[in-house]
Amino acid sequence: GESVGLHLPTLSVQEGDNSIINCAYSNSASDYFIWYKQESGKGPQFIIDIRSNMDKRQGQRVTVLLNKTVKHLSLQIAATQPGDSAVYFCAENRAAGNKLTFGGGTRVLVKP
Amino acid sequence: DAGVIQSPRHEVTEMGQEVTLRCKPISGHNSLFWYRQTMMRGLELLIYFNNNVPIDDSGMPEDRFSAKMPNASFSTLKIQPSEPRDSAVYFCASSFTSTGSRETQYFGPGTRLLVL
Repeated sequence: GESVGLHLPTLSVQEGDNSIINCAYSNSASDYFIWYKQESGKGPQFIIDIRSNMDKRQGQRVTVLLNKTVKHLSLQIAATQPGDSAVYFCAENRAAGNKLTFGGGTRVLVKP
Repeated sequence: DAGVIQSPRHEVTEMGQEVTLRCKPISGHNSLFWYRQTMMRGLELLIYFNNNVPIDDSGMPEDRFSAKMPNASFSTLKIQPSEPRDSAVYFCASSFTSTGSRETQYFGPGTRLLVL
């Protein structure tokens, strides 16, 4: 079936380095994508979103890239900090309705 | 501003008991979503409402699960009778949705349910 998936379950990164989290999706009808961050014991927290008419969007220390040709989404975190340690989820919103389908998540561990 | 509010934050109950989870969405939001998160299955959408009306309940596991939204500021998810396999973290999320738009969903802190 169609789904959103992640390539790497765990990413270890040195503090100060950049992080890249990848996500593959298979539904070409998806037109809206969101990255969420989930810290232990908390609900998913919105980080950044991107619509299908864009291929790049920047926020504060984060950049999301969308490659519709290969159905690939990535989240780049610049100068990773200890507070960035969390599980990151990508989610797609398909054209019909307002449902989000979540990927399996990637755990980011920031080493001091 | 208050975010999505969920209660209780933790619930421990025995198999067969009724469990009621509560959610207050962000004021002004017109869509409400109930999710379940487990290690095995990740985040799953159970049901969502738009303007207090259930739109899609295809994710509700079985008849033991029911959800209501009597008004724009309150929703419940009920499990009766509860089973150990229902143990999970249940999240409520809300968003403002208009025709043709795609809007961010904001999540509550979740209710951690343990059924013994």
